[in-house]
Amino acid sequence: ETGVTQTPRHLVMGMTNKKSLKCEQHLGHNAMYWYKQSAKKPLELMFVYSLEERVENNSVPSRFSPECPNSSHLFLHLHTLQPEDSALYLCASSQDVPLREAYTQYFGPGTRLTVL
Amino acid sequence: DAKTTQPPSMDCAEGRAANLPCNHSTISGNEYVYWYRQIHSQGPQYIIHGLKNNETNEMASLIITEDRKSSTLILPHATLRDTAVYYCIVGGDMRFGAGTRLTVKP
Repeated sequence: ETGVTQTPRHLVMGMTNKKSLKCEQHLGHNAMYWYKQSAKKPLELMFVYSLEERVENNSVPSRFSPECPNSSHLFLHLHTLQPEDSALYLCASSQDVPLREAYTQYFGPGTRLTVL
Repeated sequence: DAKTTQPPSMDCAEGRAANLPCNHSTISGNEYVYWYRQIHSQGPQYIIHGLKNNETNEMASLIITEDRKSSTLILPHATLRDTAVYYCIVGGDMRFGAGTRLTVKP
């Protein structure tokens, strides 16, 4: 247990569905992240939120829509996904500190998403 | 792109020390070196980090060269449960590369 939970753990959806992934952290952190991990590929940073403001969006398609209503919760809203979006989606949190100073990310277990 | 270079895979005998190298020749003076590992289909797990000095915790030791252009993660007594992909990351942008797949063999 890392203090970061993700639901659901597994999700199968059709290309026309709308679904949401949820992440919750119980560590008192103020930064949260979404990563995507496709099969046999490195983790790709998708979104970064610091103090509930989006600070980074790595050119992610608009069919992925993040939401950070407070420092403990992070959502990833999904709509009209493609089969190539099937992947492990990982959430992480950290205590945000000035750039390049030390901070540690704690990851959730991930949501295994399959798009049919 | 990741700012580190790691061998794609390594093997280690159970009970022996596993030494995982990482090159980060473009590291800046105030950038930390972080190590994480990912056991199959789980979220990455933080192991250790350091800036200049060698560091040790209950999981591993981190040796950073004096010029800071490379480092080595040491698992002193590897177990089968240490089989995982190990990632070396530099700086605050947390960009993961391909890592090193460590296989601990009985």
